[in-house]
Amino acid sequence: EIVMTQSPAALSVSPGERVTLSCRASQSISSNLAWYQQKPGQAPRLLIYGASTRASGIPGRFSGSGSGTEFTLTISSLQSEDFAVYYCQQYTDWLLRTFGQGTKLEIK
Amino acid sequence: EEQLVESGGGLVQPGGSLRLSCEGSGFTFRNYEMNWVRQAPGKGLEWVSYISSRASNRYYADSVKGRFTISRDNAKNSLYLQMNSLRAEDTAVYYCARDFCRNARCLYFDLWGQGILVTVSS
Repeated sequence: EIVMTQSPAALSVSPGERVTLSCRASQSISSNLAWYQQKPGQAPRLLIYGASTRASGIPGRFSGSGSGTEFTLTISSLQSEDFAVYYCQQYTDWLLRTFGQGTKLEIK
Repeated sequence: EEQLVESGGGLVQPGGSLRLSCEGSGFTFRNYEMNWVRQAPGKGLEWVSYISSRASNRYYADSVKGRFTISRDNAKNSLYLQMNSLRAEDTAVYYCARDFCRNARCLYFDLWGQGILVTVSS
């Protein structure tokens, strides 16, 4: 099983700030990584796939980078609606797709 | 609008059974592979099961193998999860999720239902 590890577990940030979230894979997954956003009481929403391609309708302030085992999700200027939990997910082993444990973005 | 709507959750005793349903609309359901993904209270996401578009292939997480069965009825645009021998650790919100697949591999989940809560407790 490919283990995905996200850091930090939680982050307190002010609106307007730039933030970078990290995701590490236990083995190389090339660029087979997706990011999701989940707000309280809602389903996850696809943000990024292929490590760096924004999904349809996702604002340009969200960007993803990385390959191999190290990945980042950057939000260039936090808006109030961006405070949520973010998950990474690998699909190199597509028969056993695994998620990170999530990073919670909180308002400072 | 593309949509997935789950139903069938609730409270069940340990050892009991429950059947979840998920109805798709706004897209051609029969063309898509589908999954169940769950989230225990306050925890992260766990993939549970996958079914191919014509139900010829089904895969399960080890944690549910032998107890859960995924199925679908494309005529009814519906996905199902039959859950037997339920345990306390199966307590979670269960989401149905549409797969994006390419070149015989499935990649990420591009459409999710709102989720349905299953509570296993005596």
